[in-house]
Amino acid sequence: GAGVSQSPSNKVTEKGKDVELRCDPISGHTALYWYRQSLGQGLEFLIYFQGNSAPDKSGLPSDRFSAERTGGSVSTLTIQRTQQEDSAVYLCASSFGQGIYEQYFGPGTRLTVT
Amino acid sequence: AQTVTQSQPEMSVQEAETVTLSCTYDTSENNYYLFWYKQPPSRQMILVIRQEAYKQQNATENRFSVNFQKAAKSFSLKISDSQLGDTAMYFCAFIFNSGGSNYKLTFGKGTLLTVNP
Repeated sequence: GAGVSQSPSNKVTEKGKDVELRCDPISGHTALYWYRQSLGQGLEFLIYFQGNSAPDKSGLPSDRFSAERTGGSVSTLTIQRTQQEDSAVYLCASSFGQGIYEQYFGPGTRLTVT
Repeated sequence: AQTVTQSQPEMSVQEAETVTLSCTYDTSENNYYLFWYKQPPSRQMILVIRQEAYKQQNATENRFSVNFQKAAKSFSLKISDSQLGDTAMYFCAFIFNSGGSNYKLTFGKGTLLTVNP
């Protein structure tokens, strides 16, 4: 079946602009995750959604970052007033549940802030 | 907080040979899982192998196997009969199996493996 999809694949934006990154999880997966992969910091957890529970936003680096998940499916990560340090690959993953359940990753969105 | 350390930023191996990637981790917990993920140039993270901490037997998946030393907090990945398609970034990762954070993967910095023809 279809895997996790993300759009756009690449995004170049000017400093100060807002961007939206989209993630389509695997159908039936109740858990959805966002991670950020950057040269300096490696892979970092950003946010976690599980069903209708309140998301864990503890990994979001600043209040310029927000995410939502509509109808328990598609998720959007929004970065307001982008800064050059936001340049990174943003990876989305989904899974059936927590812990041992495999997190299936999408191909990521490469964000470049100029 | 748990940490995952991969001490080899880059490694190379000749095709058909065997290579071992190192990973150590630090946690005070006893109930957790460990993973190796592969990230080829396409950026798609792919699960290679997983190990439950409560299992003493080392996990194997075809040409991939792990050496899990719980007391030493070591989790190395052995790739046998290396193939050109194994060229990728390899990440070691940790996740709790219980408690409030059993969904956050903690990753090492990665090891870039190049398989040479």
